[in-house]
Order: sequence, then structure tokens, then C-alpha cells
Amino acid sequence: DVKVTQSSRYLVKRTGEKVFLECVQDMDHENMFWYRQDPGLGLRLIYFSYDVKMKEKGDIPEGYSVSREKKERFSLILESASTNQTSMYLCASQLLNEQFFGPGTRLTVL
Amino acid sequence: AQSVTQPDIHITVSEGASLELRCNYSYGATPYLFWYVQSPGQGLQLLLKYFSGDTLVQGIKGFEAEFKRSQSSFNLRKPSVHWSDAAEYFCAVGEVDNDYKLSFGAGTTVTVRA
Repeated sequence: DVKVTQSSRYLVKRTGEKVFLECVQDMDHENMFWYRQDPGLGLRLIYFSYDVKMKEKGDIPEGYSVSREKKERFSLILESASTNQTSMYLCASQLLNEQFFGPGTRLTVL
Repeated sequence: AQSVTQPDIHITVSEGASLELRCNYSYGATPYLFWYVQSPGQGLQLLLKYFSGDTLVQGIKGFEAEFKRSQSSFNLRKPSVHWSDAAEYFCAVGEVDNDYKLSFGAGTTVTVRA
């Protein structure tokens, strides 16, 4: 079974803090994704990566950056957290158009 | 660019009754189509997918979906709902010529009453 893990299930940070969300997959997948999920909006793509050190902006990249130094790990970075970044963050890896999701990190920015 | 519409925000169904969740998409070619389920506090789990071939696809947990090209729809059905089916359901569309991107609908929350 594909396993995608995220470093935290719940996270509380203060405005202006730098926040790191980590995602690890164990299936050697090339493609990895970060989404945010908000009620009534479904999932929106923040960034994706199709190889180590390669990244592409998704639909809502503003305020976020990513890092992919190793194939299995894809990190989402909030350079200076703001209250409007309070959300559920989902990581996924992909094989043959099918995406496999982690359990999510619920981030609250105070 | 493709888009996905799930017209029903919330559906309440009695245990044992049938369930149908609607999904309409906008895309020029035949898309890849998916249904995911998210139980409370969990990530998304794939229920079923359509890439090509038979337009009626079977998935896990007793779900099925039918692709109707003429209606640009991919509705999800289950003949008899169990209390454990209470969850949020997402329809997603992928592009045939773009391996990376899925577009998700806003989701439908299903409540199951005893």
C-alpha cells in the first residue's frame, strides 16, 4: 500500500512565524502535490513537483514556497504565516494519474 | 481549463436507502475522472476512477459511477447506504494531456440517519 505521511496532524502558529509542513511518501513516486482545503472550495493546488528540485506553481501559490531535496520528501513553507492561511493542508503523491493523499495537517494561525 | 461542479453541498439519506451524488465537468476532451471520499479528520481515499472503456465503473465500498459523455457527468451511486458512508465526497477531473493536474469539485457532505 502507498503510504503518504505528514509531519503533524494539528499545528498552531502565530502570525509572522515561518512554518514548515513536511510530507513523505514511500513509493518512489515522481510527482508530489500540496493542496489546501477550505469549506465550500474543495481542494486547491498550491504547488506541485515532478522531480527532485523541480517545482511548479499551482493555482494559489502566493504566500507559500516549497522544497524537494529528496524524491520522497516534499515540504511546504509559509514564509510569514498569516491568519488567512488557517486551513487544512493535504499532501499527495501520484502514480499514473492517481493521487494518494496523506491524512492532512490542520493549521491554525493566531 | 477544466472545471468541476458538484451541485449538492449536503445530502441526508437514511441508512439502507440509495445514494446518488452528482458531478458535472467542463473539459474539451475525454477527461480522467475520479471520486474520492474523506472521512472526518482523514485524508482523501480513492473510491473509483474512469480513464476509458466501460462507462460504468465499480469501486470500493460498494460504490459505482457512470460516465455520460453527452451530459458531461460522472455521478456516483450506492444502492444501500451504511452509517459508515457518512463523509465528504469529492469529484475530480484530470486532463488527458496534462499528467499532473487534478481539478476538484467543492465536495458533497453526506449525512446518514438511522
